[in-house]
Amino acid sequence: GENVEQHPSTLSVQEGDSAVIKCTYSDSASNYFPWYKQELGKRPQLIIDIRSNVGEKKDQRIAVTLNKTAKHFSLHITETQPEDSAVYFCAASKFQGGKLIFGQGTELSVKP
Amino acid sequence: DAGVIQSPRHEVTEMGQEVTLRCKPISGHNSLFWYRQTMMRGLELLIYFNNNVPIDDSGMPEDRFSAKMPNASFSTLKIQPSEPRDSAVYFCASHRSTDTQYFGPGTRLTVL
Repeated sequence: GENVEQHPSTLSVQEGDSAVIKCTYSDSASNYFPWYKQELGKRPQLIIDIRSNVGEKKDQRIAVTLNKTAKHFSLHITETQPEDSAVYFCAASKFQGGKLIFGQGTELSVKP
Repeated sequence: DAGVIQSPRHEVTEMGQEVTLRCKPISGHNSLFWYRQTMMRGLELLIYFNNNVPIDDSGMPEDRFSAKMPNASFSTLKIQPSEPRDSAVYFCASHRSTDTQYFGPGTRLTVL
């Protein structure tokens, strides 16, 4: 069935360092890949997304890369700040607005 | 825009009682999703509606769970009878067909 694997489950970095979170999906028909950030006690919020016709997308300190052949995509956060500390979820869908299959989440901790 | 509205925000009930969670999607959004989040199972899709019609309920755990969407501005998720293992945060999300999903603030359910 549809599945998204996310690694690592926890990640601790020093402020200013980069953080990378990786996801692998099983359904080759997937073509929309959003990333959500969830702070403690709050709702998941979209931070960036990418469609399958694009290999990379950047938004300030955040970037996402996609390798459709290998069926994996990654989130890159540069110059991390303490406020980046949160749980990050990747997801995959067959189309934007369709059923999202979420990864297990990565708890990112940025130490000052 | 008020965003997705959920009520109640917190619910504490005793095993065997009926629980009803409510969601008002963002105006103009034509799809609505119910998710359950726990530490053990992560973020799971329970059911989603498109134009008020249930499209995929394969994530509904068992017959104790039911969901309705009588109109475009209201949906309910009902658990009857509730059990301690139903304790979780339940999120509702909505979107327009070419947009991404926006999550509500969630309902934290505790079944004693």
